[in-house]
Amino acid sequence: KNQVEQSPQSLIILEGKNCTLQCNYTVSPFSNLRWYKQDTGRGPVSLTIMTFSENTKSNGRYTATLDADTKQSSLHITASQLSDSASYICVVKATGGGNKLTFGTGTQLKVEL
Amino acid sequence: NAGVMQNPRHLVRRRGQEARLRCSPMKGHSHVYWYRQLPEEGLKFMVYLQKENIIDESGMPKERFSAEFPKEGPSILRIQQVVRGDSAAYFCASSPLDVAGGKNIQYFGAGTRLSVL
Repeated sequence: KNQVEQSPQSLIILEGKNCTLQCNYTVSPFSNLRWYKQDTGRGPVSLTIMTFSENTKSNGRYTATLDADTKQSSLHITASQLSDSASYICVVKATGGGNKLTFGTGTQLKVEL
Repeated sequence: NAGVMQNPRHLVRRRGQEARLRCSPMKGHSHVYWYRQLPEEGLKFMVYLQKENIIDESGMPKERFSAEFPKEGPSILRIQQVVRGDSAAYFCASSPLDVAGGKNIQYFGAGTRLSVL
């Protein structure tokens, strides 16, 4: 069964600090992995997308890594801001099967002063 | 270029009524997806449609739920005879034609929050 597990479930950090969110997946055969940011009451917004051959991808202060051998990914947020408070969702797409995505339950990040 | 538009944003129905959720994809996008998000859970795939065709409905409950994406107009997710367990946020996403490597990004709407009394 295709699954995506994320940790931690929630995280509180001080503004300006860095943090790293983890994602493990069992989706197979693997096509690509995406990280989405979902603000409360809004739809998810894409941050990064990586295929098998890409092991790192940056988008501003967000840097995602991928280890396709161990089926792990991380999202590193640098110099956090209050606006980074959101749910960060790891999403994996398998090859074939149309465009169906498997979503993790997300890490709820709160950035405080 | 407007994003994915969903309406209504909030919908309240009594048990046994019908709920109709609408989704207008981004301009130029021909693929539409519907997802359901229960409290404290991740988004769950329901159905994938192209214009006038259902491509994958493996995530749709077998009864009471249906979806369409007509040649003209928005995509509609229809829930008949709603029950309390249908209360959730329903998100629509759209994407353009598939690109090599399957990296086409899905753009999400703000969702419709359905509450069944």
